[in-house]
Amino acid sequence: DTGVSQDPRHKITKRGQNVTFRCDPISEHNRLYWYRQTLGQGPEFLTYFQNEAQLEKSRLLSDRFSAERPKGSFSTLEIQRTEQGDSAMYLCASSLDRGEYEQYFGPGTRLTVT
Amino acid sequence: KQEVTQIPAALSVPEGENLVLNCSFTDSAIYNLQWFRQDPGKGLTSLLLIQSSQREQTSGRLNASLDKSSGRSTLYIAASQPGDSATYLCAVRQVWDRDDKIIFGKGTRLHILP
Repeated sequence: DTGVSQDPRHKITKRGQNVTFRCDPISEHNRLYWYRQTLGQGPEFLTYFQNEAQLEKSRLLSDRFSAERPKGSFSTLEIQRTEQGDSAMYLCASSLDRGEYEQYFGPGTRLTVT
Repeated sequence: KQEVTQIPAALSVPEGENLVLNCSFTDSAIYNLQWFRQDPGKGLTSLLLIQSSQREQTSGRLNASLDKSSGRSTLYIAASQPGDSATYLCAVRQVWDRDDKIIFGKGTRLHILP
């Protein structure tokens, strides 16, 4: 297995545009997580899925953000009407569904909103 | 609400010295604690994961300890090298009912002077 992958690795967009990121987890992992990291801060939890069900959403996830995980495999994170404050690194992680198992992180997607 | 604090925020030491990075957390109900390394503009590299029932983990020149009852962890780096320069993040995993997330500290920026 090649680990968690994310696409694209970098995205530059203009304010007001919509963007979509993709995450492919490790194949046997049924939990998938999204985090956001702004400059100088640690990553912050956004949301997670158990298979295709979205079980928890942070209040950081405004109405402009939506995440899906159809069929419980890959996941997409869409940001509508991007704002400059959305500029950040978006990290995806996956794990098996028990707390003692490690969350494995992908390389991240760096979003710059101009 | 779980809070993770890392001290110091930045550290510069001459090459070859041993050093200790500190992490504290406010809620001892954790599944595990993990130390990550992050190079500028890059994703996270997992260094060590300590389960809540464990006291320490070692990998090469790195040793991490966990005192869950006091809410503290340390990362010890022996014989530091310029290649160790990076930001080191401490993170705890909490799982409760439908909640499952990793809470990160803001990191310690380490600079090893050649």
